[in-house]
Amino acid sequence: GNSVTQMEGPVTLSEEAFLTINCTYTATGYPSLFWYVQYPGEGLQLLLKATKADDKGSNKGFEATYRKETTSFHLEKGSVQVSDSAVYFCALRGSGGSYIPTFGRGTSLIVHP
Amino acid sequence: KAGVTQTPRYLIKTRGQQVTLSCSPISGHRSVSWYQQTPGQGLQFLFEYFSETQRNKGNFPGRFSGRQFSNSRSEMNVSTLELGDSALYLCASSSGSGGPYSYNEQFFGPGTRLTVL
Repeated sequence: GNSVTQMEGPVTLSEEAFLTINCTYTATGYPSLFWYVQYPGEGLQLLLKATKADDKGSNKGFEATYRKETTSFHLEKGSVQVSDSAVYFCALRGSGGSYIPTFGRGTSLIVHP
Repeated sequence: KAGVTQTPRYLIKTRGQQVTLSCSPISGHRSVSWYQQTPGQGLQFLFEYFSETQRNKGNFPGRFSGRQFSNSRSEMNVSTLELGDSALYLCASSSGSGGPYSYNEQFFGPGTRLTVL
């Protein structure tokens, strides 16, 4: 079946540092890939997505590139802010019978001023 | 436009009891999905509903059930609660018909935090 593996946290950074959160996946066919963010006390929000190989999703300064050759979808941001502190989830949606989203365990990001 | 609302936000029950959680999707959304979120297992899919019909079901025991009403509001029920059912239960709604051939962005509610003592 499909699976998503993301780096364990927490990831602790100072404001304006560079962020990378690794995500790799296992899936047959050509899944769509997503990053969601969950702020304290809130539900998940879609941060960005990519639907085919080499696509780059971007939003709010965050980027991730769909790398089929390495089955990866790493999340990056050049300069994090305190307000980026949240839990980030990598997810995939397969095709056909595997269309139900599969989520990673989540990576907590803590940004200090 | 109001977001997905879930009630109650917090719930404390004891083992053996049953519980009903409610989800009101974004106006106009007819597809509703439920997920269980725990520190150990992460987010796991429970069910998906569209037009009062269950389209898909995750790998959970029969104690977990759900339904959807004609106004698209959805409820999930857990009977004979166990300690391991303690979790955050998330509801997500989307436009479109759901299923494997129609993808629309899912919008999540804040969740219901269930604690089983």
